[in-house]
Amino acid sequence: QSALTQPASVSGSPGQSVTISCTGNSGDFGSDNLVSWYQQHPGKAPRLMISEVSKRPSGVSNRFSGSTSGNTASLTISGLQAEDEADYFCCSYADSGTWVFGGGTQLTVL
Amino acid sequence: QVQLQQWGAGLLKPSETLSLTCAVDGVSFSDYHWIWIRQPPGKGLEWIGEINESGSTNYNPSLKSRVTISVDTSKNQLSLKMNSVTAADTAVYYCARVRRGALPHWGQGTLVTVSS
Repeated sequence: QSALTQPASVSGSPGQSVTISCTGNSGDFGSDNLVSWYQQHPGKAPRLMISEVSKRPSGVSNRFSGSTSGNTASLTISGLQAEDEADYFCCSYADSGTWVFGGGTQLTVL
Repeated sequence: QVQLQQWGAGLLKPSETLSLTCAVDGVSFSDYHWIWIRQPPGKGLEWIGEINESGSTNYNPSLKSRVTISVDTSKNQLSLKMNSVTAADTAVYYCARVRRGALPHWGQGTLVTVSS
């Protein structure tokens, strides 16, 4: 299966909002909407930020939110802070039982 | 507190077999699915395979012929074996817990380098 498509990089100033898109083909996003987003700082393991399209795990700031529209999932980070600078990956668990990841987006906080 | 601790050989020669183990603590091992993922240096994440509580596996078709994932429920451990490695298999390998199509807990990662 092909990877989900994410922009290579996005940037924003502190306090601003940024949105990272994640586009797939029909069938990449299963019928159960099992789309998740991960934050990864250099040299660290990924951290789950959003599950099931829009659910925030305990401990994740409410500045992070997720949504979908058609074949595109989106992660929005509001009130950008310096510590948000990281790589972000989307992931989909498809009906076929396969996992597909996006190529990753590097977020720069200016 | 859920913890996943990984270990295994970090330097392999081409054609050798990669072998990693992931020990799970803080959660009932047999109640969840578990997954192995890898990340080549500077690149994105790639799903290797998943194993469920009954030991049934599902592998990435691109790796299926070389990969075996197993569990030892008596030790709360899962294992990854990948044979006939090449330089293209150089990556950080992660184990993770699966919950509702997401990965809330990850191991610390193990860098495996394949070089002659």
